[in-house]
Amino acid sequence: KAGVTQTPRYLIKTRGQQVTLSCSPISGHRSVSWYQQTPGQGLQFLFEYFSETQRNKGNFPGRFSGRQFSNSRSEMNVSTLELGDSALYLCASSILSTSYTDTQYFGPGTRLTVL
Amino acid sequence: AQTVTQSQPEMSVQEAETVTLSCTYDTSENNYYLFWYKQPPSRQMILVIRQEAYKQQNATENRFSVNFQKAAKSFSLKISDSQLGDTAMYFCAFISHQAGTALIFGKGTTLSVSS
Repeated sequence: KAGVTQTPRYLIKTRGQQVTLSCSPISGHRSVSWYQQTPGQGLQFLFEYFSETQRNKGNFPGRFSGRQFSNSRSEMNVSTLELGDSALYLCASSILSTSYTDTQYFGPGTRLTVL
Repeated sequence: AQTVTQSQPEMSVQEAETVTLSCTYDTSENNYYLFWYKQPPSRQMILVIRQEAYKQQNATENRFSVNFQKAAKSFSLKISDSQLGDTAMYFCAFISHQAGTALIFGKGTTLSVSS
């Protein structure tokens, strides 16, 4: 079974631009979560989607948004990019989101650099 | 607030040796799950091992085992017969009903295995 895939793997943007990242979960998985990884803050939860609905949200500004499609693929959007948004963005999928007991499996990440 | 602490930023070990990575957490909940994830230089986050808090038996996966001390809120990872491929950053993570679907990560421990 194929793992979680993320595209693109690398992105370079300038301040003020917006960016869209994509995540395809493991086949059969219906929940997709997004995390931001930076050297200073470590790994932080952004949000989680299940059945096209945002079920959980971390403490990030409204510039960070996402959505999920009927095939469970998810996109994350960051508008008005700031230098501090430079990070590795990780997507994780799990079978269900109705239980915290489901293990999350991660994709390879998208490295975003904001200049 | 629930927190995860990894007190060892870096560790080094020789091939074939055994190493133990430490993790402590803080929660008022009784039911939760703990994980160790490995992130090699490729940046792909890989699940190493998972422990259910209600199980007293420590989880094991081949060369990897945990020492779960619920009363002490401690969850250490032991790697036996270390291999060069074990070189990676290791993250301890926590999830519970209160946290919803958001994994809470420690800051990580960088493990270097040398020959």
